[in-house]
Formats: sequence, C-alpha cells, structure tokens
Amino acid sequence: QQQVKQSPQSLIVQKGGISIINCAYENTAFDYFPWYQQFPGKGPALLIAIRPDVSEKKEGRFTISFNKSAKQFSLHIMDSQPGDSATYFCAASMINSGYALNFGKGTSLLVTP
Amino acid sequence: GAVVSQHPSWVICKSGTSVKIECRSLDFQATTMFWYRQFPKQSLMLMATSNEGSKATYEQGVEKDKFLINHASLTLSTLTVTSAHPEDSSFYICSARAQGGGNTGELFFGEGSRLTVL
Repeated sequence: QQQVKQSPQSLIVQKGGISIINCAYENTAFDYFPWYQQFPGKGPALLIAIRPDVSEKKEGRFTISFNKSAKQFSLHIMDSQPGDSATYFCAASMINSGYALNFGKGTSLLVTP
Repeated sequence: GAVVSQHPSWVICKSGTSVKIECRSLDFQATTMFWYRQFPKQSLMLMATSNEGSKATYEQGVEKDKFLINHASLTLSTLTVTSAHPEDSSFYICSARAQGGGNTGELFFGEGSRLTVL
C-alpha cells in the first residue's frame, strides 16, 4: 500500500525552467516530509525537508510548498539545470514509527540544455 | 554532514550462497538503522528497522530468516542475505538516524550495495 503518492512519473524541463513535482499523503500522523535526490547507482541524498507547521520552505533553488488541509506537498526547482537531472523521491515519516521513511514512487527528471 | 558507509558497494555471488552487507555510521552514533531494497527504476521499499541491541522489526512480506539483520553496536548494522537466489538481486540501501536526534526525523543514507545473484 503506497502511503505517499507522487506525480508525475517523469518530467522533462528546459534549462532555466521550473520543475514541479507533487506528492499527496493520507496519514495525518506524518510529521516530517523530506525530498530526496538520487543519481543512478547511488543512495538517495536529502535535498530539503519540511514539517506540517510550515507552509513553505526554501533552500537555494529548491522550495517545498506544503498544504496541510489538502494533505499535499510539492517540490519546486527553480532555474533547473542539466545537473539536476536525477530521480526525485518525496517521503513522509512520523515519530511513532521511529521516522521510517515511506517513499513515493519517484519522478525521473530530465533537464535539457 | 553525517556519513553512512556501506560495504561492499557491489557483490556478485552464486545462487545458494550467503552475502553480508555492512552499514556503518562514520561520525555519529545511530540508535536506529533502516534497510531498504530498491529494484531498477522503482522506489525504495522498507525491509526492516534495526535498533541497537534488540531484534530487528521486519516489514510485512519480508522473510526474517532470509534477511538476517544484526545491529550489534551504535555504529554498525549488517544485513545478511542467506541462500541467495537470482530474485534477491537488487540494490540494498541502509539509512541511519542519529542518537539523540530528537524528533528531527532526518535520516542519512548509505551509497547502497548492488547484489547480483547468478
């Protein structure tokens, strides 16, 4: 049972454009929502994370928007670069499960020159 | 930042043999470690949660006798795939949560170990 639903499955964006990836969850007990970036053959690396008491968080070109009432959150990558081409996973966790991460299915992002 | 090291990064073995994968937290103590499995072009699926000094908690559908997990110290957890078969070929990734990490939820991931069973 997928606890976090992610879309789109794949995304192609031109260099300089904005990449937007969306996620939705059902379990209101989740209280930590990270985004991970993964390159082929590598482990995932934390990009940015947010808690439900905040509606937006920005770190450099990466922004998380969080809508608690809609149980949705999204990742925006501004000024997308070819080096951003990777697979992105949203995830959710809660303290009750020791913060074991429930991952979305991933979005394969390709940024064209 | 916190570093989690996995070894080996890749391993090829014959069907029926056992393979051990190590996960070490290099610069912090990890009360809890998680083991994930990832098939090509798919998401990470949680296999088990490993707490130092106690038995691992396995997710539904994961055979505890096949995937042996040991978390003997605050910096080391091991995953042993016993009697490996070709269907066990996958990318195994561990992650660790720092001791005293409070409720930050932040997990640090290893680089993964690619297992190929012939």
